[in-house]
Amino acid sequence: EAEVAQSPRYKITEKSQAVAFWCDPISGHATLYWYRQILGQGPELLVQFQDESVVDDSQLPKDRFSAERLKGVDSTLKIQPAELGDSAMYLCASSVRSDTQYFGPGTRLTVL
Amino acid sequence: EDQVTQSPEALRLQEGESSSLNCSYTVSGLRGLFWYRQDPGKGPEFLFTLYSAGEEKEKERLKATLTKKESFLHITAPKPEDSATYLCAAANNNDMRFGAGTRLTVKP
Repeated sequence: EAEVAQSPRYKITEKSQAVAFWCDPISGHATLYWYRQILGQGPELLVQFQDESVVDDSQLPKDRFSAERLKGVDSTLKIQPAELGDSAMYLCASSVRSDTQYFGPGTRLTVL
Repeated sequence: EDQVTQSPEALRLQEGESSSLNCSYTVSGLRGLFWYRQDPGKGPEFLFTLYSAGEEKEKERLKATLTKKESFLHITAPKPEDSATYLCAAANNNDMRFGAGTRLTVKP
């Protein structure tokens, strides 16, 4: 069964450092999403791609976060510099157009 | 403002004790209502999509239903392995909004 792949699974970094997360969506899924999930809360959308284009990045803190999906397949989310409040689970999901979203295992980020 | 509210926040059941989880939504132009299961430290696992009021879907001990204002996830004769956080999400043409989840614990 096809799955969304994410790496790394865990990342510990110090504040002010740069971190990057990678996501490979299910093959054929044109729409890719990055979410942030704080413990005890539901996922919150950071950015949505349709192929290589950004569809929605209204909740992305653009002063420190960036995301790209250059060839319309895999994607990278970067934080620079990381802050203590960025500690969370970062989830990637993909879908065919904007239908049911399938999530990857997530990257647990801890900022010290 | 579009909002999704889940209740209760936490639910403890004995094995075999059936119950229901609630998801209330105020999302204009609902395109779909989604249920996910999330185990600790893992990504959400897709369970159901409901598209219109009156629709029902079942999978093993779980049944999801939808009205114009809320959705229910009914759990029949739960087992300890059903313990997880259950998330619902409501989507319109602009975005998808998640609730905070219900943390279900089923004791043997």
